[in-house]
This record gives sequence, structure tokens and C-alpha cells, in this order.
Amino acid sequence: AQRVTQPEKLLSVFKGAPVELKCNYSYSGSPELFWYVQYSRQRLQLLLRHISRESIKGFTADLNKGETSFHLKKPFAQEEDSAMYYCALLTGGTSYGKLTFGQGTILTVHP
Amino acid sequence: DVKVTQSSRYLVKRTGEKVFLECVQDMDHENMFWYRQDPGLGLRLIYFSYDVKMKEKGDIPEGYSVSREKKERFSLILESASTNQTSMYLCASSRRTSGTGPETQYFGPGTRLLVL
Repeated sequence: AQRVTQPEKLLSVFKGAPVELKCNYSYSGSPELFWYVQYSRQRLQLLLRHISRESIKGFTADLNKGETSFHLKKPFAQEEDSAMYYCALLTGGTSYGKLTFGQGTILTVHP
Repeated sequence: DVKVTQSSRYLVKRTGEKVFLECVQDMDHENMFWYRQDPGLGLRLIYFSYDVKMKEKGDIPEGYSVSREKKERFSLILESASTNQTSMYLCASSRRTSGTGPETQYFGPGTRLLVL
């Protein structure tokens, strides 16, 4: 069965420190993964997708099929990175764009 | 700019009431989704629709139904609200997946429902 696991509910770092939000998945097909972010009082929005191999707001994520992971990383965290982060896996056929989300990680960056 | 709107930000209902949550998108998207968001559980898909009058169950459809009579509007219905349906409800929409890969889901602001 498809599943997305984010083992950390809460993650706290200081400004300027590296940050890594963990995401592991279970899926029998070829995985397509995303990170979504929700800042305080804002709607949930796409941060990045693995297929694009992009860096957004200094964040990167590499798909590791061997470890079935898609961890989100940033070398120097900023206070404005404080938010809820969700990892998501495309499931149910690519036509529908159906996503399975993880439990979410609340990131707090302290000054 | 894609806009997904939800009819209410906050809603308070009594147990047993029939509840309608409305979602409208203005970008001609084929796919629309209803999720509930609960602390520690993340987002869980209730229902989705890939075309007018078409619907598919998500992971937690029990106690819910949906309606999509027009392309831009996707309604979530709680036939008889219960206290365990107290939650944040998020609507999202996306284009049908193209050859370039999966499309982004765009989310509404959410409706916080309290069932007493």
C-alpha cells in the first residue's frame, strides 16, 4: 500500500543552521514526490517537486529510491522558513493527480 | 493567478445536521479534491472528481458525499454531521496531468468546521 511517513512532528533549529525534514515513502510504482508548505495564516502551496530538480527558497530535495526517501534540505535556515511542511506522493494514476500526504512536520526557526 | 475559494472560513453545526461545504475554482481545472486536515494525521483525501459528474472515493469517504454539477464547483456534503467530523476541510484543484508530468494542486483557504 502507498504510504508517506514524516517521522518528526516538530523540528526546531536556530537561524543559520542546516535543516533537514525527513520523508519516507512506500509505493510499488515509479514514485513522483512533492513538498507542500503552509505558512501561518496562508493556504497550502507547492514548494517543490522532485521531477523538476529545482531549488526553491534555498530548499532542495533528492529522491533516493534505494532508501525510499525524499528529504527536504536547506543549508542555512531563515526565520521565514517557519511553517508546516508536508511531503506528498502521487498515487492512483497520474491522470487524476491524486496525492497521498504525510503527517506533516512543523518547522520552527528561532532567531 | 489561480484562485480556489471556499464558501465559509468558519462553520459551527449541531450533531445530525446536514452540512454543505462549497468550493469554486476559476482556472478551468478538471480535477478537484476534498481533504480534511487534522493535527498529527496530515491531509487525508475524502473524495476527488476528475470531471463534471464524476467522483471517486478517497481514503476516508465514510460519512461524506460530494457533488460536481459544474466544472468549477465541487461540493462536500456531510449527510448527518457528527462530532468526529470536526476538522479543517481543504479543497484543491489541478489540471488533468499533461505529458510534462503531474500538475500542481492549488488549495483553498480552508473551512474550519466545529460540530457540537
